[in-house]
Amino acid sequence: GQQLNQSPQSMFIQEGEDVSMNCTSSSIFNTWLWYKQDPGEGPVLLIALYKAGELTSNGRLTAQFGITRKDSFLNISASIPSDVGIYFCAGQLDRDDKIIFGKGTRLHILP
Amino acid sequence: SQTIHQWPATLVQPVGSPLSLECTVEGTSNPNLYWYRQAAGRGLQLLFYSVGIGQISSEVPQNLSASRPQDRQFILSSKKLLLSDSGFYLCAWNRGGLGNQPQHFGDGTRLSIL
Repeated sequence: GQQLNQSPQSMFIQEGEDVSMNCTSSSIFNTWLWYKQDPGEGPVLLIALYKAGELTSNGRLTAQFGITRKDSFLNISASIPSDVGIYFCAGQLDRDDKIIFGKGTRLHILP
Repeated sequence: SQTIHQWPATLVQPVGSPLSLECTVEGTSNPNLYWYRQAAGRGLQLLFYSVGIGQISSEVPQNLSASRPQDRQFILSSKKLLLSDSGFYLCAWNRGGLGNQPQHFGDGTRLSIL
């Protein structure tokens, strides 16, 4: 079945640094989603992308829907302590298809 | 606005005991509903999804079952829990019948089996 490869698996960065993570797939998707999960809570939707090439921002977060429809990246600028958590990418082909989740990128921020 | 509620937030159960986790959605009608399990530090594994009352699709064989007795209520059950059932269980919903819609998650239930 479809799988998403999300990288890196974990990141250790200094506060204030920019962060970049990405997701790739062997097959195309028509929707890419990025979620953040804080410890002990459910994932929260950060950004939804519906069009190849689309670049969307949400505050310090920017995500892009790859032109090939097989990848997406998420950037976080000027990281702060509350950015700590697990970031999941997810893809969906069509309305009746299930959403496929990546295994997550765990972000750690050093003081 | 729409909200999703899961309970209980945490649960400790002995091996072999039954299980019932509940999820309800407010502020929408005819949602798609989903149950996921997340092992510690791992990704999300889809267990069940439902597109309507009484309609349940199972993704993986297991000793868990799901039911949807009402439009906005989704229940995860087991007759006899196994040690391997420990994990973080998440309920999610999205709008049914419309294009590609993102899923929205509840706060989860942490289940520990002793």
